[in-house]
Amino acid sequence: EVQLVESGGGLVQPGRSLRLSCAASGFTFDDYVMHWVRQVPGKGLEWVSGISWNSGSTGYADSVKGRFTISRDNAKNSLYLQMNSLRAEDTALYYCAKGVVAGTTGLDYWGQGTLVTVSS
Amino acid sequence: EIVLTQSPATLSLSPGERATLSCRASQSVSNYLAWYQQKPGQAPRLLIYDASNRATGIPARFSGSGSGTDFTLTISSLEPEDFAVYYCQQRSNWSLTFGGGTKVEIK
Repeated sequence: EVQLVESGGGLVQPGRSLRLSCAASGFTFDDYVMHWVRQVPGKGLEWVSGISWNSGSTGYADSVKGRFTISRDNAKNSLYLQMNSLRAEDTALYYCAKGVVAGTTGLDYWGQGTLVTVSS
Repeated sequence: EIVLTQSPATLSLSPGERATLSCRASQSVSNYLAWYQQKPGQAPRLLIYDASNRATGIPARFSGSGSGTDFTLTISSLEPEDFAVYYCQQRSNWSLTFGGGTKVEIK
């Protein structure tokens, strides 16, 4: 059974940093693209960042470019999101999501999310 | 950035009726489009990938069509569990975007 479990969320002051983690199991982690997607409670979905199977390619939403860094450790079946210079507008539930097979559009498994609150 | 516009924002229908949801892209995305269903308190669930392929375990009443800039998700006969919010999503190189969502509510 595929499982994605996010952790690392919490309350943080504006300008500070936070590192999110996603522990993956039930599939061959290093075969798949992985993504972070966020959602303000009651609002729509916003893609944050994605990373290729071998970390050779990454992408970021304009809203986080230069502040957030995605990474993965295939030996540990883990995905990370380093979030620096946090702003109030980064407050959201952050989901880790697995891409379908390479070259396919879709995220077929999602974690339950970890809540990040940026407030003084 | 490619913008996805979903319409209508809300669709009020009764169980058994047909639902037609639209997603329009600001420029061509070929068939690089997916559809998701999200219920309150739950993570999104993939319904359709590559515009017209049902994901594993998705009932046949869900179908996707379109290419280029205009896409449609059709639910042929609404079941009670289908009332939810639906999102479309595209990928363009290493950039993904989601539409604003369509809420399908019980009339």
